[in-house]
Amino acid sequence: QPVLTQPTSLSASPGASARLTCTLRSGINLGSYRIFWYQQKPESPPRYLLSYYSDSSKHQGSGVPSRFSGSKDASSNAGILVISGLQSEDEADYYCMIWHSSAVVFGGGTKLTVL
Amino acid sequence: QVQLVQSGAEVKKPGASVKVSCKASGYTFTSYGISWVRQAPGQGLEWMGWISAYNGNTNYAQKLQGRVTMTTDTSTSTAYMELRSLRSDDTAVYYCARLTMVQGEGYMDVWGKGTTVTVSS
Repeated sequence: QPVLTQPTSLSASPGASARLTCTLRSGINLGSYRIFWYQQKPESPPRYLLSYYSDSSKHQGSGVPSRFSGSKDASSNAGILVISGLQSEDEADYYCMIWHSSAVVFGGGTKLTVL
Repeated sequence: QVQLVQSGAEVKKPGASVKVSCKASGYTFTSYGISWVRQAPGQGLEWMGWISAYNGNTNYAQKLQGRVTMTTDTSTSTAYMELRSLRSDDTAVYYCARLTMVQGEGYMDVWGKGTTVTVSS
């Protein structure tokens, strides 16, 4: 079972909100990890969006709109990225990341379609 | 402006080595680390490791231990990633990224445009 699991794809309508999940493997305590989120558009490098540890310890990437926000869902052991007021330009791949045992681990990515 | 400029595309035969460069500008090179991430065609991101530009300390992904070497040249603000004994599944776009610390953990905030490495006989 991978360390981080993301849904392969997600679709949402313009103006709506999209909730992307990043589930940590059973036995890995969500509360101990800061979750990082990246956006990647075709033929471009990834872009850092934000990181979330708790409501008092979060970080927004430079120039990243506030409609991108992070949170955690302890009940599902998952990190959450919410994109509100979806725009066509938000259509992209989204990757979560953690530092685990001194190494970076990426989730498999979620392809977000805005239609 | 802060940027990372990577070297050009490479085509290599199986068993060969490749060395990709990443020249930094617009910031104090030795105040940050450099991380390397690769992406095979149509696949997700794979972290390869990182190097401290301050002291040269490295941390490599376990999967690549023994095949990868990351170095820096502080006189030219350039980082290098060498991968040896290339195989076809090393075919990927290789990215360098600046590693910045937030609350004691690193995130990659500035990325190079990527270097395509193709391994083919």
